[in-house]
Amino acid sequence: QVQLVESGGGVVQPGRSLRLSCAASGFTFSSYGMHWVRQAPGKGLEWVAVMWYDGGNRYYADSVKGRFTISRDNSKNTLYLQMESLRVEDTAVYYCARDQGQIMVVVGSFDYWGQGILVTVSS
Amino acid sequence: EIVMTQSPATLSVSPGERATLSCRASQTVNSNLAWYQQKPGQAPRLLIYGASTRATGIPARFSGSGSGTDFTLTISSLQSEDFAVYYCQQYNNWPPWTFGQGTKVEIK
Repeated sequence: QVQLVESGGGVVQPGRSLRLSCAASGFTFSSYGMHWVRQAPGKGLEWVAVMWYDGGNRYYADSVKGRFTISRDNSKNTLYLQMESLRVEDTAVYYCARDQGQIMVVVGSFDYWGQGILVTVSS
Repeated sequence: EIVMTQSPATLSVSPGERATLSCRASQTVNSNLAWYQQKPGQAPRLLIYGASTRATGIPARFSGSGSGTDFTLTISSLQSEDFAVYYCQQYNNWPPWTFGQGTKVEIK
């Protein structure tokens, strides 16, 4: 069965960095686009970033552009989110999510989600 | 950026009753609209994609309709496990992919 497991969260001071990982299993990871979506405490869902199946394309929300970097290692079935210059407003549960499309197609609907990992930015 | 607006913010429904949730897009998203269910402490779950296609394993009491800018999620007979927050999301114009603010379905 499809599994996505995030790790790397925690408490970090404003301005510092953190790297999240998402370990995938149960499907051919290299065939799917992958996204990060976040949810601030008590708030709704916010799309953060996407990377195409082969790493060829990546896009970011304006709120994180220039500070966050999405990457993947298809040999390790792992998705990453490098977060720099963290702000208090980046505090959220971060989910990795599989795109519903396959191979060259990114659809933008999310058919499987990890359990989420909490990132708290606080001094 | 396409803004998604859901109504109502909270819907109070008795078990066994029908629930109707609305989602409006600030411009057309054709049928590129998904619905997700989220229970407290859990990740969202895909319910509907393509505005009206149920995802794998989703019960038939969930149905989606609409196209263009106005969409509806209907739960025909609410079960106890259906009380949750529901989000719509457009994937027609991107980036960014955008979500509505959510509708909480609570027990009346």
